[in-house]
Amino acid sequence: GQQVMQIPQYQHVQEGEDFTTYCNSSTTLSNIQWYKQRPGGHPVFLIQLVKSGEVKKQKRLTFQFGEAKKNSSLHITATQTTDVGTYFCALNAGGTSYGKLTFGQGTILTVHP
Amino acid sequence: KAGVTQTPRYLIKTRGQQVTLSCSPISGHRSVSWYQQTPGQGLQFLFEYFSETQRNKGNFPGRFSGRQFSNSRSEMNVSTLELGDSALYLCASSLGYGGGTDTQYFGPGTRLTVL
Repeated sequence: GQQVMQIPQYQHVQEGEDFTTYCNSSTTLSNIQWYKQRPGGHPVFLIQLVKSGEVKKQKRLTFQFGEAKKNSSLHITATQTTDVGTYFCALNAGGTSYGKLTFGQGTILTVHP
Repeated sequence: KAGVTQTPRYLIKTRGQQVTLSCSPISGHRSVSWYQQTPGQGLQFLFEYFSETQRNKGNFPGRFSGRQFSNSRSEMNVSTLELGDSALYLCASSLGYGGGTDTQYFGPGTRLTVL
């Protein structure tokens, strides 16, 4: 089945610095979703990207889907301590892959005040 | 609209026992998916139910099973517990129309510890 590699595994930043996490696939993706999980919490849906080259913004968060639909990134500008958590990309292969999300390994973000 | 609820939130069992976890989806959602989250393996898909039928299944042994009721509530059962079953078990609900663009909404999870 389809898989995604997510890097980096860990990222430590000072508050105010930027942060980026990347997801890469060897196959073309129909869509990609991003989730955030706070420490001790559960994954919370952030956004879904479907179109080639798509860019979406949510305040300080910018999500991109590659032109070839094989990679995606999440960029946070000027991190805050509230950004702490694990960021996951996830894909649904579509078709008969009902309800099945394949998650990347996640990037654990630590923000030092 | 109320979110996804899971009960119990925490559970401690011993090896060999069995356990049943419950999930109530968001009102109107007909699909419930179950995931296991561990530090080593990350988030792994267990199975998905829609209209009381299992539509999709991950690569877990037969000790892991589930069901869905007519009101879309779902349960998962793990029999003959092993130490390696210690994990956070998450359920997620969605409308269930498939096509790959369904957004999943996760519950708070059940933390299972097997001693």
